[in-house]
Amino acid sequence: DIQLTQSPSFLSASVGDRVTITCRASQGISSYLAWFQKKPGKAPKLLICAASTLHSGVPSRFSGGGSGTEFTLTISSLQPEDFATYYCQHFNNYPLTFGGGTKVEIK
Amino acid sequence: EVQLVESGGGLVQPGGSLRLSCAASGIIISDYYMDWVRQAPGKGLEWVGRSRDKAHSYTAEYAASVKDRFFLSRDDSKNSMYLQMNGLKIEDTAVYYCASNYFHSDIYWPDSWGQGTLVTVSS
Repeated sequence: DIQLTQSPSFLSASVGDRVTITCRASQGISSYLAWFQKKPGKAPKLLICAASTLHSGVPSRFSGGGSGTEFTLTISSLQPEDFATYYCQHFNNYPLTFGGGTKVEIK
Repeated sequence: EVQLVESGGGLVQPGGSLRLSCAASGIIISDYYMDWVRQAPGKGLEWVGRSRDKAHSYTAEYAASVKDRFFLSRDDSKNSMYLQMNGLKIEDTAVYYCASNYFHSDIYWPDSWGQGTLVTVSS
């Protein structure tokens, strides 16, 4: 099974900050990676698919990059509504595992 | 607009069974790959399983943690999908979400999600 390791697991940032989260795969997964935002009591929200394609309706301050084994999610200017937990998930083969999550909190 | 509504969660004893439902509106569910994902209290997201669309005979894939205990099925007449959970364990306690997928760059991506249903396994 493919393991996804996210770093950091927790980060504290201020409104307006640029934030980057990394997701590393235990083996190459081409660009078969998505990023989700999860808030307490809410459903996950797809932000990025195919490593770098911004999903419809997602603000352009979110961007994704990488391929193979290393991927990034960047928020160019953190907004109050962005404080949440972010997860990567691979779609290279089954099982479709998630990373452990990165919680973004207000500094 | 796609709407997915999960139901069927509740309190069940270890070893028991439960069937979750995912009712869809705004889409014809038989045309879609559908996923189940869960989140245990205080934990991260965990993929549970995927049901392919009717064109692919509704074949399914499962996480190792639920394989041979959980089973996916569909009812086209009700535009719904089901997750039959047998042999429930305390560690199956979680909020369960269903999601529909869209096809992009050769892959099915879960883009529409229900609000979840809570399953509690406890004696």
